[in-house]
Amino acid sequence: SYELTQPLSVSVALGQTARITCGGYNIGSKNVHWYQQKPGQAPVLVIYRDSNRPSGIPERLSGSNSGNTATLTISRAQAGDEADYYCQVWDSSTGYVVFGGGTKLTVL
Amino acid sequence: EVQLVESGGGLVQPGGSLRLSCAASGFTFSTYTMNWVRQAPGKGLEWVSYIDSSSSTIYYADSVKGRFTISRDNAKNSLFLQMNSLRAEDTAVYYCARVGVMVQYDYWGQGTLVTVSS
Repeated sequence: SYELTQPLSVSVALGQTARITCGGYNIGSKNVHWYQQKPGQAPVLVIYRDSNRPSGIPERLSGSNSGNTATLTISRAQAGDEADYYCQVWDSSTGYVVFGGGTKLTVL
Repeated sequence: EVQLVESGGGLVQPGGSLRLSCAASGFTFSTYTMNWVRQAPGKGLEWVSYIDSSSSTIYYADSVKGRFTISRDNAKNSLFLQMNSLRAEDTAVYYCARVGVMVQYDYWGQGTLVTVSS
């Protein structure tokens, strides 16, 4: 079965750039989506199809996907960006949806 | 405004059953694929089940296959998850989510907590 690997935690200084990776075999050939989840809340879609932002998501959040790694980049990190972030793909060969294990972002 | 409201969660003994519901509003429910996603306490997101708009394509995660059944009633704008033979490891918040064309979850409900314990 297809697997996605994320770092457990990432730390970033206030105002700096954070990068959260999502590794998977040939993930560059898949559509990768990213979610932000704050404590006690449902997840929110922040990036879809590798690099597209839904309405209302700030331009500070961006995504890329190539080879075996997809990346969520958060520029000018703010305290409000502290959350868990999950990547997700759809494995068309099985019909299964796959999530990464999640990354806790801490803004110092 | 798109709204998804789950209900039906609660405390159930191991081996018991529970039926979750998700009431949808603010969009044409009958044209969207819907999914269930769960999250065990302190853990990450886990996909549970997938149903397309006409109920013709259904998938289950291996962890629930044979025990859970997803269904929908397009006339009532409702999504369901029948959960049988529940185990302690099924304890989680269960979310219903609307699926976009790239199989992304563009809207989520607030979740309903299922606790399996004796």
